[in-house]
Amino acid sequence: KNQVEQSPQSLIILEGKNCTLQCNYTVSPFSNLRWYKQDTGRGPVSLTIMTFSENTKSNGRYTATLDADTKQSSLHITASQLSDSASYICVVSAGPGGYNKLIFGAGTRLAVHP
Amino acid sequence: EAGVAQSPRYKIIEKRQSVAFWCNPISGHATLYWYQQILGQGPKLLIQFQNNGVVDDSQLPKDRFSAERLKGVDSTLKIQPAKLEDSAVYLCASSRTAGQGPEAFFGQGTRLTVV
Repeated sequence: KNQVEQSPQSLIILEGKNCTLQCNYTVSPFSNLRWYKQDTGRGPVSLTIMTFSENTKSNGRYTATLDADTKQSSLHITASQLSDSASYICVVSAGPGGYNKLIFGAGTRLAVHP
Repeated sequence: EAGVAQSPRYKIIEKRQSVAFWCNPISGHATLYWYQQILGQGPKLLIQFQNNGVVDDSQLPKDRFSAERLKGVDSTLKIQPAKLEDSAVYLCASSRTAGQGPEAFFGQGTRLTVV
């Protein structure tokens, strides 16, 4: 069964601190993995995309890693800001096969406090 | 480019009533998704269209939910009759093509409250 599990469920950090969010998946066949940021009351927005051959990718203060052997990914946020408070959702794309299927994790709710 | 448009933003109905949501995807996007997101959970796929054909509706409660995508553009999702457990945010998303893991762009969602 295709599954995406994220940890922790929620996290509180102080402004300026770093944090790392985890994602484990059992999805086959694997196409790619994306991290989405979802602000309260908004739809998710893609932060990074990683394919099977990529180990790390950065987008500003966000750095994602992927270990395709252990089927694990992490999202590292550096020097957190208040605006980073949101849910971070790991989404694995299952394909090919004619159409792309997105498997969502439950998300990690991050709160950055001043 | 304009984003995915959804309406209404909020809806409150009584149980057993009917409700419909509308989605206008990004121009040129062949794939359209409807997701249900219950508070505190990740989105759950309800139905996926490729142009105007259904490619996945395995998690759509077909006894009460229905969706259509006429002419391969706009889509509507209907619930009839609604239950209390249908209270959730309904997200519409679209992407360019299927098969290569393209980025899905999401609308702001419709928050449904069933009382």
